[in-house]
Amino acid sequence: DVKVTQSSRYLVKRTGEKVFLECVQDMDHENMFWYRQDPGLGLRLIYFSYDVKMKEKGDIPEGYSVSREKKERFSLILESASTNQTSMYLCASSRQGTLWGYTFGSGTRLTVV
Amino acid sequence: SQQGEEDPQALSIQEGENATMNCSYKTSINNLQWYRQNSGRGLVHLILIRSNEREKHSGRLRVTLDTSKKSSSLLITASRAADTASYFCANSGGYNKLIFGAGTRLAVHP
Repeated sequence: DVKVTQSSRYLVKRTGEKVFLECVQDMDHENMFWYRQDPGLGLRLIYFSYDVKMKEKGDIPEGYSVSREKKERFSLILESASTNQTSMYLCASSRQGTLWGYTFGSGTRLTVV
Repeated sequence: SQQGEEDPQALSIQEGENATMNCSYKTSINNLQWYRQNSGRGLVHLILIRSNEREKHSGRLRVTLDTSKKSSSLLITASRAADTASYFCANSGGYNKLIFGAGTRLAVHP
């Protein structure tokens, strides 16, 4: 069964910590994405990547960075976690082009205290 | 913001009834997609309709697209309690990038 795996379902971190959220896909997809989901705001795109070592800013990249050293892995990094980054983080992948649906991971619910 | 909007925000129906959710978007699109999310989980892709299509079916799902009105609708026929979830539309407003709406919460009561 093809899938996107996010390393943690729940995570609690302290303000100021550096946080790594990991995402791995086994479908050989070119594109990978990080979204955050907050009540009433839907999904907002943080960063995406359409190739190894390539990255593009989404709508809300401030306070985040990403790394894609291998095709199957896309990491989201919170350089210095803040309480307003408490959220559900969703990773997704898709084939190249605009005619493919996304496959999502189960999400990581991050709480910053 | 390029984000679209779903309507209604919440919908409550009885099993066996049909559920209709609407979506509006702001930019030109290559395609429009619908996703489902069970509580606290990731999203699951349901159906994709291309910009040159007007209607598409998949099992109990029927999606329509009106590009002149920048709107789409998702119809779930003969709903079941297991259809209880949030439903999101997403449009491909840019290269390889989907823009999601805020979703419709559907509750189907036995």
